Amino acid sequence: DIVMTQSPDSLAVSLGERAAINCKSSQSLFSTSNNKNRLAWYQQKPGQPPKLLLNWASTRQSGVPDRFSGSGSGTDFTLTISSLQAEDVAIYYCQQHYSPPLTFGGGTRVEIK
Amino acid sequence: EVQLVESGGGLAQPGGSLRLSCTASGFNFKVYSMNWVRQAPGKGLEWISYMTSDTRTIYYADSVKGRFTISRDNDRNSLYLQMNSLRAEDTAIYYCARSVEWSFDRWGRGTLVTVSS
Repeated sequence: DIVMTQSPDSLAVSLGERAAINCKSSQSLFSTSNNKNRLAWYQQKPGQPPKLLLNWASTRQSGVPDRFSGSGSGTDFTLTISSLQAEDVAIYYCQQHYSPPLTFGGGTRVEIK
Repeated sequence: EVQLVESGGGLAQPGGSLRLSCTASGFNFKVYSMNWVRQAPGKGLEWISYMTSDTRTIYYADSVKGRFTISRDNDRNSLYLQMNSLRAEDTAIYYCARSVEWSFDRWGRGTLVTVSS
């Protein structure tokens, strides 16, 4: 099974400042079929289901603000929020969509400093 | 508008059974693979099962293999999860989620399953 490890567990960032969340996989998520990485990021606000922000490591879903961006390749990935807004307070999860069993990171809680 | 609505959750005794349903609307359910993902209270996300649109390919997490069974009825736009031999550690919110290349692009609001005597 592919193990996904996120860091940090939580972070507090001032409004308008940058937030970065790291995700490491136990094996490469690079797909040779399309030269993309099979890594997704989700946002979950309290009392709500998760929402897909990006897949293929950096492909933003429709309607997701462009302050959210994804980077990385192979086993190391980062979700960056370029200018934190109040509505971004949430828990963020990475997930490998490379092969079953599909696995998630443990989550990173983002709060306002 | 894409909608996924789960139902069937509730209180079950250890060793008991429940059947969850997920009703889809707003998209062509017949062509999408579907999943069940769960979240224990205050914990992270755990994928538990996947089924292709034609039902030919099914995967389970080891934690539920042999106890849970995924199924679907494309004519009824519905996905199901039969849960047998329930354990306390199965207590969670169960989400139905649509698959896009094994990522989950649409989620229901979930149904709570509590396993307790």
